[in-house]
Amino acid sequence: QSLLTQPPSVSAAPGQRVTISCSGSSSNIGRNYVSWYQQLPGTAPKLVIYDNFQRPSGIPDRFSASKSGTSATLAITGLQTGDEADYYCATWESNLNVHVFGPGTRLTVL
Amino acid sequence: QVRLAESGGGVVRPGRSLRLACVASGFSYRDFDVHWVRQAPGKGLEWVVVISADGRNQYYGVAVKGRFIISRDTPKNTVYLQMAGVTPEDTAVYYCAKNRDYLDVWGQGTTVTVSS
Repeated sequence: QSLLTQPPSVSAAPGQRVTISCSGSSSNIGRNYVSWYQQLPGTAPKLVIYDNFQRPSGIPDRFSASKSGTSATLAITGLQTGDEADYYCATWESNLNVHVFGPGTRLTVL
Repeated sequence: QVRLAESGGGVVRPGRSLRLACVASGFSYRDFDVHWVRQAPGKGLEWVVVISADGRNQYYGVAVKGRFIISRDTPKNTVYLQMAGVTPEDTAVYYCAKNRDYLDVWGQGTTVTVSS
């Protein structure tokens, strides 16, 4: 049972916008940075957002994120078929001194 | 080019031990924390353990605490994960990744299968 909550799946048509939520608590998201990872089928995860809303070099600005209180949100605009993947949020859990991942959200581009 | 490469995976019997290695190239482990993250077949990512850049601190996930040990050999730029008393629930692809608050570079993973 993850300390973070994500919807199991989201879907949208090409070109549309989709958001993925990540809910936690005051001891994890509430006091620590959130990062987001994209995992394409059969590949290692890839960092797409760090420090709540920063994009690594090479990640298009179609990917954005925000954090408010104990929740975070990843937004992807101008959806492409290549965006179909599992997306995970992650943060540090201060009460347990562990890094935690959300259960993941599968994005389907219809 | 910054790269991480895991090795050491394989088939191991329940209760036995296995050591995984993560070799870094293009950067030094002295400068970054290193994590192990695993993914069971068809499941999500599970964080396993982290060792701090100075090697002084290690934090373990609940599922592996007391059974797994992380260590590093700085001259060899290698981090190890010593797995003991493995169970079928430890079957997964094991990834190493670097940094602290976020994991910006990942290896390709090494597969561990626990089976009799």
